[in-house]
Amino acid sequence: SQKIEQNSEALNIQEGKTATLTCNYTNYSPAYLQWYRQDPGRGPVFLLLIRENEKEKRKERLKVTFDTTLKQSLFHITASQPADSATYLCALLNSGYSTLTFGKGTMLLVSP
Amino acid sequence: NAGVTQTPKFQVLKTGQSMTLQCAQDMNHNSMYWYRQDPGMGLRLIYYSASEGTTDKGEVPNGYNVSRLNKREFSLRLESAAPSQTSVYFCASRDWTGAAFLNGYTFGSGTRLTVV
Repeated sequence: SQKIEQNSEALNIQEGKTATLTCNYTNYSPAYLQWYRQDPGRGPVFLLLIRENEKEKRKERLKVTFDTTLKQSLFHITASQPADSATYLCALLNSGYSTLTFGKGTMLLVSP
Repeated sequence: NAGVTQTPKFQVLKTGQSMTLQCAQDMNHNSMYWYRQDPGMGLRLIYYSASEGTTDKGEVPNGYNVSRLNKREFSLRLESAAPSQTSVYFCASRDWTGAAFLNGYTFGSGTRLTVV
């Protein structure tokens, strides 16, 4: 069966450190992968998109990698701040389909 | 501000009652989506409309119907609410054309529905 797995345990880090979140998938052939941020009581907000033929994408303090051989994406936040505390969702668009499937998300807590 | 507007924000229904969740976007997006989000389950697609005039089932369509009223509006109807439909419902939209392809979904702020 198709699965998108994100660490269900919260990631706790100190301010200034790099946060790394993982998204693993099985039985997908994703055309592209997206990352979203969700704050409590709010809808998800789009952050980054990376295509299957791209290894890495950057936007300000954010970096996403995409390894289709390992079937894994890593999401990095450098110089993390308490304001980065939120739940981060990865989402895949499978080749031949027109809708996104979301992982369950990983909560990030950045302490001062 | 441009975006996706959902109404109502909160709703309590009794089992068997019906209601319609409203969603409107002002970004001229082609595609619109309804998701539900439950603790431990993540976001699951209920129905979507790839373009005006079309609708398709998602992962969890049972108990729901949708209407793409026009390009802006996409409503979700619960005909006979059940406690299992207690959830947070999110509407989203997206433009698939040209450079907008690289943009993600824009989500509304959600409707928190409780069925008792």
